[in-house]
Amino acid sequence: DGGITQSPKYLFRKEGQNVTLSCEQNLNHDAMYWYRQDPGQGLRLIYYSQIVNDFQKGDIAEGYSVSREKKESFPLTVTSAQKNPTAFYLCASSISREAFFGQGTRLTVV
Amino acid sequence: RKEVEQDPGPFNVPEGATVAFNCTYSNSASQSFFWYRQDCRKEPKLLMSVYSSGNEDGRFTAQLNRASQYISLLIRDSKLSDSATYLCVVNSGGRRALTFGSGTRLQVQP
Repeated sequence: DGGITQSPKYLFRKEGQNVTLSCEQNLNHDAMYWYRQDPGQGLRLIYYSQIVNDFQKGDIAEGYSVSREKKESFPLTVTSAQKNPTAFYLCASSISREAFFGQGTRLTVV
Repeated sequence: RKEVEQDPGPFNVPEGATVAFNCTYSNSASQSFFWYRQDCRKEPKLLMSVYSSGNEDGRFTAQLNRASQYISLLIRDSKLSDSATYLCVVNSGGRRALTFGSGTRLQVQP
């Protein structure tokens, strides 16, 4: 079945460590996105990519990095520079207007 | 001013009630509008797109008012299963990434 797969579902990180969240899609979508959601809040855009080998900062890119070496993959690295990384991270892809989401990764810093 | 604003609720309504949510957006150049539904600790899923002429899908009706820059969602004959957070989503065209409101929480009670 086509879809977006995020892994892992739950992730625990020690302070000061970098961690990479995986996002893979087999929908043949050009555009991919990373959002962050905090409790009781909406989704905030971290990074997005409209095409392979190109990506743009969203509203809260500081402390994060991405790569888009393949159409299917858009991994997000949460670096030690991100001061408050505990959140629910959602990856999405789209080919026109509608976005399809993965099931999300809950990152907790311990 | 936030780009997309919603009343966070919660809206507590009895089964069978009609409930309406409004959402305002600040960018007059916005081109596409959507309502997404998000269940607790899950990813958002598209409920319906919002067209200029208004559109209906079963018990759900969406309206767009470009002059006043708001969109609305009307739910008739509320069901217990309608309990969720409803996210107003706007595509402002320029960067072709969706901007999410904070969501309105609906709780339908028996």
